[in-house]
Amino acid sequence: QSALTQPRSVSGSPGQSVTISCTGTSSDVGGYNYVSWYQQHPGKAPKLMIYDVSKRPSGVPDRFSGSKSGNTASLTISGLQAEDEADYYCCSYAGSYTYYVFGTGTKVTVL
Amino acid sequence: QVQLQESGPGLVKPSETLSLTCTVSGGSISSYYWSWIRQPPGKGLEWIGYIYYSGSTNYNPSLKSRVTISVDTSKNQFSLKLSSVTAADTAVYYCARNPYYYGSGSYYPLNWFDPWGQGTLVTVSS
Repeated sequence: QSALTQPRSVSGSPGQSVTISCTGTSSDVGGYNYVSWYQQHPGKAPKLMIYDVSKRPSGVPDRFSGSKSGNTASLTISGLQAEDEADYYCCSYAGSYTYYVFGTGTKVTVL
Repeated sequence: QVQLQESGPGLVKPSETLSLTCTVSGGSISSYYWSWIRQPPGKGLEWIGYIYYSGSTNYNPSLKSRVTISVDTSKNQFSLKLSSVTAADTAVYYCARNPYYYGSGSYYPLNWFDPWGQGTLVTVSS
């Protein structure tokens, strides 16, 4: 099972919006509504930002939103802030053999 | 709130077995699924496997032949053993919790990881 494909990096100025894509196949992203997104600051553990494609855990700002179309999921950060600069990883359930596959990771830079 | 803490040797020799423990505090290990996830330096995340508090497990097929995850409910801990390690197994190892839902008389894992432990770096080197 290959890793989900994410852009290596995206950037934006404070206040702008950025969108990170996460492309898989019909066996993972396209087959289930079980995509989650994680934010990871340098030297820190990942933090859950979105689960089940578009649901936000308590405490996560509503600037973060998720969606899915076909085999591609997306994470959008609206009103970009300096503290959003981090690596972001998507993860999808991939069935009862593979279980979970992560994305390649995207570095978000706030200009 | 529940917190997870990984512990174990930071250096393992090639061909030996990597052993780590995750201690759960602030909540019970019961009724949840518990995962191990790793991240080689400078690289992405890889799910290793999970265990239900009752002891049932599921593993990443690419690691299945070398992985054993076990649980000790009396200590509120679960553990990872990875055998025949090579330099490719050098990584930060994280433990994490999978929430669950109850349906049709059984408990099932929900498909996200929260919270995570802080991670522990394991280096495979002679």
